[in-house]
Amino acid sequence: EPEVTQTPSHQVTQMGQEVILRCVPISNHLYFYWYRQILGQKVEFLVSFYNNEISEKSEIFDDQFSVERPDGSNFTLKIRSTKLEDSAMYFCASRRQPNQETQYFGPGTRLLVL
Amino acid sequence: AQSVAQPEDQVNVAEGNPLTVKCTYSVSGNPYLFWYVQYPNRGLQFLLKYITGDNLVKGSYGFEAEFNKSQTSFHLKKPSALVSDSALYFCAVRDKNYGQNFVFGPGTRLSVLP
Repeated sequence: EPEVTQTPSHQVTQMGQEVILRCVPISNHLYFYWYRQILGQKVEFLVSFYNNEISEKSEIFDDQFSVERPDGSNFTLKIRSTKLEDSAMYFCASRRQPNQETQYFGPGTRLLVL
Repeated sequence: AQSVAQPEDQVNVAEGNPLTVKCTYSVSGNPYLFWYVQYPNRGLQFLLKYITGDNLVKGSYGFEAEFNKSQTSFHLKKPSALVSDSALYFCAVRDKNYGQNFVFGPGTRLSVLP
């Protein structure tokens, strides 16, 4: 069964550094999402992406964040200058098409900012 | 604004007994409702959803959930719990009339005791 994959599984970085989190959505999916889960807290929506542009974003998704689909398979989340409070598990999700509501989640990348 | 409540942080049940994990929601329009399960060090796995139609929906691993519009609830149930069901369970809602992103509840940790 096709799955969403994410790399790396863990990343440790210094505050102020840039990080890129990578996701490979399910191949015939058209809608892509990033969520994050700070340790012990709920899963929060960051951004959704469709047709090569952002369709929605939350207030968490400020100018430090960007997303890109650089080729036909990868979907990336970049954090330009990481802060301590960016430490979280980041989940990528994808959805097939408008009338298929289920979002399928990847295993997550655990980001630790020191 | 959309919100999801899972009133119990922790649910303990003996193996073989029925289990219920509670979820209530608040949306301005009509809801799409989902349950996901998270095993340790894994991503969110889709269990089941309510979009329209029958209020009782059946999902993976013998789980089911009942949509109750008057009580704005979508409780997850299973007739006979297994130790392997022990995990973190998240309820999520999407308002049909408001964007694509999911709003997640805080999660309920289910422990099935042998």
